[in-house]
Amino acid sequence: DAGVIQSPRHEVTEMGQEVTLRCKPISGHDYLFWYRQTMMRGLELLIYFNNNVPIDDSGMPEDRFSAKMPNASFSTLKIQPSEPRDSAVYFCASTSSTSSSYEQYFGPGTRLTVT
Amino acid sequence: AQSVTQLGSHVSVSEGALVLLRCNYSSSVPPYLFWYVQYPNQGLQLLLKYTSAATLVKGINGFEAEFKKSETSFHLTKPSAHMSDAAEYFCAVTSDTGRRALTFGSGTRLQVQP
Repeated sequence: DAGVIQSPRHEVTEMGQEVTLRCKPISGHDYLFWYRQTMMRGLELLIYFNNNVPIDDSGMPEDRFSAKMPNASFSTLKIQPSEPRDSAVYFCASTSSTSSSYEQYFGPGTRLTVT
Repeated sequence: AQSVTQLGSHVSVSEGALVLLRCNYSSSVPPYLFWYVQYPNQGLQLLLKYTSAATLVKGINGFEAEFKKSETSFHLTKPSAHMSDAAEYFCAVTSDTGRRALTFGSGTRLQVQP
């Protein structure tokens, strides 16, 4: 079975450019989470969706960040304009409401470098 | 609100020695608890989970954890460390609002010395 798929795996961009990260959750999962991992702040929850609807976006750092989930099999996290402090590894994870244990399945991550 | 504290950002053990990674949680409701492992340049992989059944939980790669309500702890152990266990380990707890989001600890990097 395919796990959570993220693309690209690595992204290098210049300050001020728009960056779009992509995620395909595990088929049948109705929850999708976006996390950011940095050395300084660890693993932070940015936003999560249930049935394609954003439930909690309180972790989104600022208006430069936006996330969408147009359908059950695709989500994007966009940063516009990007800044060097956005450099991090961004993870997507998914889970199913039919799971009694709430465990999340993570993708391999996108390593973003903003120069 | 729920929270997780992992004591020790770095732990170093010798190959064959006992591994003990500490996790304490706070939650206003009975929690579900998880340990995840992250190998270099990879995503997080579930090691084991506690979901209010047996308090001693066995996971993959020989790891286990014991839920102790009186101590609000969920420490991860392995009797004999292997070089391949070198990774970062994260403890996580469910939200006390019943939502599906998890709260992660800050992680513990395990080094295994030959």
